[in-house]
Amino acid sequence: IAGITQAPTSQILAAGRRMTLRCTQDMRHNAMYWYRQDLGLGLRLIHYSNTAGTTGKGEVPDGYSVSRANTDDFPLTLASAVPSQTSVYFCASSDGNRGSPLHFGNGTRLTVT
Amino acid sequence: QKEVEQDPGPLSVPEGAIVSLNCTYSNSAFQYFMWYRQYSRKGPELLMYTYSSGNKEDGRFTAQVDKSSKYISLFIRDSQPSDSATYLCAMRGPGANSKLTFGKGITLSVRP
Repeated sequence: IAGITQAPTSQILAAGRRMTLRCTQDMRHNAMYWYRQDLGLGLRLIHYSNTAGTTGKGEVPDGYSVSRANTDDFPLTLASAVPSQTSVYFCASSDGNRGSPLHFGNGTRLTVT
Repeated sequence: QKEVEQDPGPLSVPEGAIVSLNCTYSNSAFQYFMWYRQYSRKGPELLMYTYSSGNKEDGRFTAQVDKSSKYISLFIRDSQPSDSATYLCAMRGPGANSKLTFGKGITLSVRP
């Protein structure tokens, strides 16, 4: 089934540890995105990539980094996790055409203790 | 003023009711309007997609856009318990790289 796969599904992480959230899509979409979703704050864009080899900062990029080595993969790295990064993280993609909607994965629930 | 405002809810209705969900926005450049449905512990899924003003119907769901009032709505007819979910409005401008702006979402519960 075509779509976005995120891993892990959930994770408990000690503060200060490094963590990479994985995201893979098989739709050959050009654009990919990382959001975090927090109660009362909604979805907030962390980083995005309009095409392989390029990345950009979203609304809340601090403490996170991304890379886009190829079309299909868009990992999100927390270099040194802090409790405020406890959240649900969603990866999304779009074909990059004007007005195209986003397609989301099912998220990674991250708890930083 | 936030770019997109959505009624915070939560909203609880009896089965069979007509549900109206609404968002207002401030950016007149928005041209593409979407509604996403998100079930518990799942990612948002695209429910309705509309370009510019007008209505779009898909089964029990109708999306309505009024650009002059900067107001969009989602109507659910004959609501079912399976419609219980969080609904997020989203919109974006005309550029290919314009970012999607989301409302915060409203949680709907349909009581059997």
